[in-house]
Order: sequence, then C-alpha cells, then structure tokens
Amino acid sequence: IAGITQAPTSQILAAGRRMTLRCTQDMRHNAMYWYRQDLGLGLRLIHYSNTAGTTGKGEVPDGYSVSRANTDDFPLTLASAVPSQTSVYFCASSDSPGTSGGPDTQYFGPGTRLTVL
Amino acid sequence: GQNIDQPTEMTATEGAIVQINCTYQTSGFNGLFWYQQHAGEAPTFLSYNVLDGLEEKGRFSSFLSRSKGYSYLLLKELQMKDSASYLCAVLDSNYQLIWGAGTKLIIKP
Repeated sequence: IAGITQAPTSQILAAGRRMTLRCTQDMRHNAMYWYRQDLGLGLRLIHYSNTAGTTGKGEVPDGYSVSRANTDDFPLTLASAVPSQTSVYFCASSDSPGTSGGPDTQYFGPGTRLTVL
Repeated sequence: GQNIDQPTEMTATEGAIVQINCTYQTSGFNGLFWYQQHAGEAPTFLSYNVLDGLEEKGRFSSFLSRSKGYSYLLLKELQMKDSASYLCAVLDSNYQLIWGAGTKLIIKP
C-alpha cells in the first residue's frame, strides 16, 4: 500500500536519551518534512528535505537533526531529549515543491507520539 | 511575522451547513490548503486554492480572496463523521507551508 510509514507509533523516553524517529515513503516523492504538533498550536516545521542529499532547517530545528541518504527515508534524531520535546511528530512528503505547477500537496504519515520524562 | 488565524472551535448540527474562516498574513503566497484531521490521526488533504474564487468538491467547498488574505471552507449536509479539526495552511514564498492552529468542529445530532 503506497504511503508513508512512521515508527515507533509511540514512545516514552527518559530525558537525556537519544532517540531516532523513522519515516519511510514509497511514493517516490522528492520532498520530505518533519513537523511537531502541540495542543493549541499549528503544525510547526522542524526540518525538511527538498531532494535526497539535501536538508534544511524549519521553524523549530533546535535539538533535532535529520539526514536524507536516499529518496525513501528521512529519519529524525533527538540527540539528548528534553521534556519540551514531548509532542506528536508527523512526517510528510510531497512531489516537488515549487516546480510542478500543481498544488504540491503534502501527504502525512500516521505520527509518533513522544513523551519525554 | 507570518500569521494564520482561524476560530478555535465551532459547533454545528447534523444536516446543516457550516463555514470555517481563515485569514492569513504571510511572506508571499503560493496557494492555500485545507486539511481535515480526526482526533489521534494524521491530517488529510481536502482542498487547494491558488486563484480567487470557489472550488467545489462534493459536500466541501473552499473559497479564496487573495486581496483580503481570506479563505473559508464550507461544509454542507453535515454528517457526524465530519467531526474533526480543520487546518488552514498557506504556502509561502519559500514554498513552505505555514499552518493555522486548526478549528475543532463539533457536530451535534
């Protein structure tokens, strides 16, 4: 089934631990994104990648890192988790931002619910 | 700064019509999206507007006025399954989506 998968579904993590959230898409989309969603706030972009081998910082990148070794995978790493990183994390992908002439719709994975204690 | 405003919560009756408004101030504009998000689930795409006017798709319609920085999502013949949050997002000059906080729509029988 085409789409985006994320792992784990949920995780409870001790502060100071390292954690990698996984994201894989099989739609051959060029662009991928990581968002966090907190109550009362809109989705906030953490990092993005417009194509394999490139990444960029979003609105709230501090404390997070990403890599894009290939088209399909876009892992998000928390080097040393803090309680303020408790959130729901969504990975998304889109075809080619700004180039297709079309709507460049973003498609979302099911999310990872992360709690940092 | 960039800002997207939409009501926090709205209530409507099954079978009725509801309009969810969104106003925006962004650096550049390359289109406006509406997404639906059921509790505990991922956002799913509903509609896209880049030109002024109304886009109709079944029970859902979306309107855009670029000069006013304004959009609305119109839901007709409301069903209980339409209970969800509705997210407005604008694609800015860097082709990044700027998101509103979402409008929680409660449908009552």
